[in-house]
This record gives sequence, C-alpha cells and structure tokens, in this order.
Amino acid sequence: DTAVSQTPKYLVTQMGNDKSIKCEQNLGHDTMYWYKQDSKKFLKIMFSYNNKELIINETVPNRFSPKSPDKAHLNLHINSLELGDSAVYFCASSQVDGGAYLPKNIQYFGAGTRLSVL
Amino acid sequence: AQSVTQLDSHVSVSEGTPVLLRCNYSSSYSPSLFWYVQHPNKGLQLLLKYTSAATLVKGINGFEAEFKKSETSFHLTKPSAHMSDAAEYFCVVSAGNFNKFYFGSGTKLNVKP
Repeated sequence: DTAVSQTPKYLVTQMGNDKSIKCEQNLGHDTMYWYKQDSKKFLKIMFSYNNKELIINETVPNRFSPKSPDKAHLNLHINSLELGDSAVYFCASSQVDGGAYLPKNIQYFGAGTRLSVL
Repeated sequence: AQSVTQLDSHVSVSEGTPVLLRCNYSSSYSPSLFWYVQHPNKGLQLLLKYTSAATLVKGINGFEAEFKKSETSFHLTKPSAHMSDAAEYFCVVSAGNFNKFYFGSGTKLNVKP
C-alpha cells in the first residue's frame, strides 16, 4: 500500500499546454510538499501546504499553481508549459503538528513524475 | 540560513571496499540531518536521520553517519560496498518551522565489480 503516490509517473506534452500532477498520501500527515529535481539532480522545494493552507512558496512562476482540496491531497497544475519545466517533480508529506519545529519528523517522498516538454 | 554541501559529485569504489560520502552543513538552528538514496528512475528513500540524540546514527543497508558539530559534518559511511548500493545519495538539513528541507547537490556512487 503506497504511502505517497503520484500520478502520472511520466508526462510528455507540447509547449504551451496545461497539465496537472496529482499527489495523495495515506499516512495521515498534515503537511505536503512539492519539489522539482532538475537535470543535474538538484532538488529544490517549490511549495508546501499545512492543513490545506499554503505555508511555503518559493520563487516559482505564477504558471505553477498548487491546490490542496484536503489534507491528503496536493495537486500541481502548470499552465503554458515551457521547455524549462522539464524535470522530475516529487511530492512529499510530513507530520509537523501545527508548524512547530519537530526535529524527528521525516518527509516521505513519492516516486516522482517525469515531465518532458517538447 | 541553512545549506548543505556535498563535497563529491561522483564517488567510485570497488565492491567490498569502504564507502565514504561527505557532507557539510550550515544551519542557524540546531539541525536535523538526513541521508536519502535515489536509485535510477526511482523515488527518494530515507537511509538514516540525526535528530540530536546519539551522534553516531545507524541506518538501513549497513550505512551509518556521524554528526560532528565542531566540523559541521555528517559524512555517510559503509564498511563494505555492494553492487546494489550504486545510486545517487542526498544529504539534507531540516530546520525551522514546517521542517523545510534543504538538499545537497547529490553524490553519485558507482560500485565496480
């Protein structure tokens, strides 16, 4: 039973299209994250939601819009896709109990979505 | 501010020899530190974590890491490499509210037969 699941696993699309990536976690966690891994394998956080509220929003183009319908889901919608959006996108979840710094908390990652923009 | 530096982008060892992957960190808080492994075309799996308890941390698959505050290091070691250890390894520091993760740039471990 997968803890953090992302769909689709692969996504190939044309420039200018709009696409969504879905993420679901069944761990009962209150916080979810989106990361982007570029071609050099560097991972950088994009967004984080705690109890459906946006808490981390790094410098990401407005074309990227996360949506959290409930605590267990965090979807990523991307408008007007560009070549530079090609990357692997990882979803993760963690339990942070209201936001206080809890060192013991681990982030659990999904298997990733490989997005290729042609 | 928090940051992580992985000192080697590639490490190559022979099967059965020791592995050392180096990581230095910078943190304004008392940090939590993690090592994650990513096998080709796979997601990220937690190897081990340090959260201010014992400074020598044991993880899965025979890996361990030692937290050295004076050197701001958290190097990953394994006494004897196995072919299945070939993967990308990420050192991560977590600090501040909502446990924001800061990833190192990764070290690719190659294991030769």
